[in-house]
Amino acid sequence: EDQVTQSPEALRLQEGESSSLNCSYTVSGLRGLFWYRQDPGKGPEFLFTLYSAGEEKEKERLKATLTKKESFLHITAPKPEDSATYLCAVCNNNDMRFGAGTRLTVKP
Amino acid sequence: NAGVTQTPKFQVLKTGQSMTLQCAQDMNHEYMSWYRQDPGMGLRLIHYSVGAGITDQGEVPNGYNVSRSTTEDFPLRLLSAAPSQTSVYFCASANRAYEQYFGPGTRLTVT
Repeated sequence: EDQVTQSPEALRLQEGESSSLNCSYTVSGLRGLFWYRQDPGKGPEFLFTLYSAGEEKEKERLKATLTKKESFLHITAPKPEDSATYLCAVCNNNDMRFGAGTRLTVKP
Repeated sequence: NAGVTQTPKFQVLKTGQSMTLQCAQDMNHEYMSWYRQDPGMGLRLIHYSVGAGITDQGEVPNGYNVSRSTTEDFPLRLLSAAPSQTSVYFCASANRAYEQYFGPGTRLTVT
């Protein structure tokens, strides 16, 4: 069965303190690995899609990478406005599976 | 361009009542989906559709029905509400790359 596990569950950083979020997955046929950002009381917002091992995508302070078993979301010099829950999802034959998310708090 | 819209935003039901959550998108996406989000469990796929007239079950389909008569609309029906269906429900539509765009959610409480 397809599974997605995210760690840590929660992460508190000081402004400017870089770190990484992890998404490990098992899926029979990966069509894509997706990262989303979710703010409290809102729907998730699409960030990145990764398709194959070795692929990297960047957007402002965020960089997503992919291996055959896991993906990392690297956050460089975060700001308080980066505080949110970050969700990882995998797609296999139209079926989407999400991880439980990492709740990131960035203190000024 | 409104994206994905959902109604209602909040709903309280009594056990055994039925209702329909509405979802519409104006991006001409073929793929649409419904999720529930519970604390600590992330988003779980209820049903999805790859085009008008085509629907399929996701991870947690029991107690829910869907239909897709047009590209734009994808309603979710609760047949007989149970307290276990208390949750936040999100509708999404996706482009051909499966990048999903979510609605604002419906917060449902079943008493």
